[in-house]
Amino acid sequence: EAQVTQNPRYLITVTGKKLTVTCSQNMNHEYMSWYRQDPGLGLRQIYYSMNVEVTDKGDVPEGYKVSRKEKRNFPLILESPSPNQTSLYFCASSFLALAGGAYEQYFGPGTRLTVT
Amino acid sequence: AQKITQTQPGMFVQEKEAVTLDCTYDTSDQSYGLFWYKQPSSGEMIFLIYQGSYDEQNATEGRYSLNFQKARKSANLVISASQLGDSAMYFCAMREGYNFNKFYFGSGTKLNVKP
Repeated sequence: EAQVTQNPRYLITVTGKKLTVTCSQNMNHEYMSWYRQDPGLGLRQIYYSMNVEVTDKGDVPEGYKVSRKEKRNFPLILESPSPNQTSLYFCASSFLALAGGAYEQYFGPGTRLTVT
Repeated sequence: AQKITQTQPGMFVQEKEAVTLDCTYDTSDQSYGLFWYKQPSSGEMIFLIYQGSYDEQNATEGRYSLNFQKARKSANLVISASQLGDSAMYFCAMREGYNFNKFYFGSGTKLNVKP
């Protein structure tokens, strides 16, 4: 089954304790991206990757790190989480767009993070 | 400036009636893609429909259609014959940039379908 998986699904942690949210896709997608969803703000792009070892910042990258060492995996790292990073996080993947077109993203189930 | 604007935080529609969810976008790119996603209360993001900037005809997918007005930069979602299962949050989104690497979402519209 084609899917994007995220782990953990729920996480409660304390300020400053490093954490990693994993993301994996089995569709051989080149493009992967992380988003955070906050009430009234929709989803905002944190980081994206267009292929292995190619990553770049989205709109809200502060406080986050990513790496893309394998095509299927794109972990999100919070080295020193703060309460303002409490949010619902989504990982997504897609094929890279061809000229004149764009592919929809497939989303993971989400990770609800609470930082106290 | 907001890249995607959804001006209807919440809407009600009677079951079996049609409803239009508004979306306007802002871009200077010639090539871009417009998407609608549905997020039920369970939280997953479900892709509904896509419109490319060069597509001359409005996209349709079953009961969903996208009313694309390029000059007005609007991409409204029309749901025909609403069903109770359509009650959800709906997000308009745009993909632009080199290789369409940037993805922007609106703030969403909460649709409630009344029996």
